Amino acid sequence: DAMVIQNPRYQVTQFGKPVTLSCSQTLNHNVMYWYQQKSSQAPKLLFHYYDKDFNNEADTPDNFQSRRPNTSFCFLDIRSPGLGDAAMYLCATSIGWNTEAFFGQGTRLTVV
Amino acid sequence: GENVEQHPSTLSVQEGDSAVIKCTYSDSASNYFPWYKQELGKRPQLIIDIRSNVGEKKDQRIAVTLNKTAKHFSLHITETQPEDSAVYFCAAPTGRRALTFGSGTRLQVQP
Repeated sequence: DAMVIQNPRYQVTQFGKPVTLSCSQTLNHNVMYWYQQKSSQAPKLLFHYYDKDFNNEADTPDNFQSRRPNTSFCFLDIRSPGLGDAAMYLCATSIGWNTEAFFGQGTRLTVV
Repeated sequence: GENVEQHPSTLSVQEGDSAVIKCTYSDSASNYFPWYKQELGKRPQLIIDIRSNVGEKKDQRIAVTLNKTAKHFSLHITETQPEDSAVYFCAAPTGRRALTFGSGTRLQVQP
């Protein structure tokens, strides 16, 4: 039944050790987003794709990268996680611009 | 850059009262304005949205109003219930594309 699936739900990584978060969708939506949400804050947009057209926000740290190998999957790579990168990472999809965004359950990242 | 401002940051109401949350946006080209509800530990979920060609939209106890001239839109919840307690986020497209979220309003409905 799940339409936007994120794995894992919880990820613990060591300071400086690369980590990859994954997202898959069964909706065949054109747009996929990655948001970072820290405690008691709004989701902050990191990247988005329209199909293969990639866009990163101006203030997204270089430490963060993304890949979308096909319509269904999208990955968030954090090359050298710092303590400040601990957060909930939310993947979302939408059929196009200016349409409802469907969120996955998120991956809670802990950096130790 | 484009931004979305939301207030109040917290709102406490008695069960049965109404709640109003307001947002302003900066990009005059924005034409889609959703509201999301996020319960503790859960994903944001759309509760209502409005497009720029209408001024108001209702869905049972929830309504959204849009003033394009003033560049603000509001969420109205009537007859509030304890299960309405959550964080509510407004959003608007930036650069006419991806959604930027407001800072959120924590609504507490007191029984």
